[in-house]
Amino acid sequence: EAGVAQSPRYKIIEKRQSVAFWCNPISGHATLYWYQQILGQGPKLLIQFQNNGVVDDSQLPKDRFSAERLKGVDSTLKIQPAKLEDSAVYLCASSLLVVSYEQYFGPGTRLTVT
Amino acid sequence: AQSVTQLDSQVPVFEEAPVELRCNYSSSVSVYLFWYVQYPNQGLQLLLKYLSGSTLVKGINGFEAEFNKSQTSFHLRKPSVHISDTAEYFCAVSTPNDYKLSFGAGTTVTVRA
Repeated sequence: EAGVAQSPRYKIIEKRQSVAFWCNPISGHATLYWYQQILGQGPKLLIQFQNNGVVDDSQLPKDRFSAERLKGVDSTLKIQPAKLEDSAVYLCASSLLVVSYEQYFGPGTRLTVT
Repeated sequence: AQSVTQLDSQVPVFEEAPVELRCNYSSSVSVYLFWYVQYPNQGLQLLLKYLSGSTLVKGINGFEAEFNKSQTSFHLRKPSVHISDTAEYFCAVSTPNDYKLSFGAGTTVTVRA
């Protein structure tokens, strides 16, 4: 079974530019998560989707971050405009069930904002 | 709200030696506890989990952890490490009916020959 795919793996942008990350979850997984992992910290949940609906986006900075999961499959996370403090690894995860502790993580996208 | 504290940010250890990674949690309700491992340039992988039952939990790759409710701890152990165990390890907590994971800051384990 293929794992969670993410692209790009690395991205360097200047502050105030925009950037987008893509995630393709494991086939058939209902729930998709985006996490932000700042260097030296554990992952922090940004947004959780159930199929194509948002379950929790309470930690998403909505003034600059947006995410969508069209057709309930792959997802895109966008930052516009980026700030220096957005430098982090952005992890995508998916789980089979609507509610599950068994989350499968992708390799992440490392974003550097200069 | 619940939180996790990983007491060691870095743990160097020699090959074939034992290792223990410490994790303490804070919660006003009952908890579910997890250990994840992140190998270099890879995503997180679930090592083991405690949901209920026996407080000694065995996971993959020879790791085990013990849930201690009175000390609010969930320490991870391996009796003999390999070079391939070099990775970052994250402790995480969740609660029944709330499937969100709260992660600790991580412990970097470096295994030397």
